[in-house]
Amino acid sequence: RKEVEQDPGPFNVPEGATVAFNCTYSNSASQSFFWYRQDCRKEPKLLMSVYSSGNEDGRFTAQLNRASQYISLLIRDSKLSDSATYLCVVNMRGAQKLVFGQGTRLTINP
Amino acid sequence: GAVVSQHPSRVICKSGTSVKIECRSLDFQATTMFWYRQFPKKSLMLMATSNEGSKATYEQGVEKDKFLINHASLTLSTLTVTSAHPEDSSFYICSARDTSAYTFGSGTRLTVV
Repeated sequence: RKEVEQDPGPFNVPEGATVAFNCTYSNSASQSFFWYRQDCRKEPKLLMSVYSSGNEDGRFTAQLNRASQYISLLIRDSKLSDSATYLCVVNMRGAQKLVFGQGTRLTINP
Repeated sequence: GAVVSQHPSRVICKSGTSVKIECRSLDFQATTMFWYRQFPKKSLMLMATSNEGSKATYEQGVEKDKFLINHASLTLSTLTVTSAHPEDSSFYICSARDTSAYTFGSGTRLTVV
């Protein structure tokens, strides 16, 4: 079983739609959780950290359910510029390295 | 914010030659840096953790004699792909941690012909 699993997509949605991404992780010792965005042929960039209480940054909302070992990302009122690959990333307690999911490709269509 | 500079951004080399990739933390000191590899339409896979002043820690299945890592200072880590072959063609990305945030270099696209 992969340490971090995501639906690879691709997701093709019209501009203005709401999109939801899901992610599960296998190691209950995981401590920190993130969503990264990666554009084609570019490095990943931090979109937001994910907290148990849930957190929101503009059109983006992230949720964490530790009991289910499940992380989600919701994008509201999607823009053309949201087209990218979204990576679910986990950091284990006491470890420095990040573990990446395979990413979910999103294309927003005009 | 923290900046990690990586170069070259793109390199084409002949099979059997070696290629060195540099990763620098520009405005912070990084005792630990990470090297990832990403194949097309795949996610980032950690290759090794580079530790300043000591040997790198390699992930399972990564040949340490083929992927040489040197972390001689708090701001520079290098990855050398020795005797490169076409199957080594990939996108190599470094990362460093500044306080709680992980910052990535812009990546190096290696093509071995």
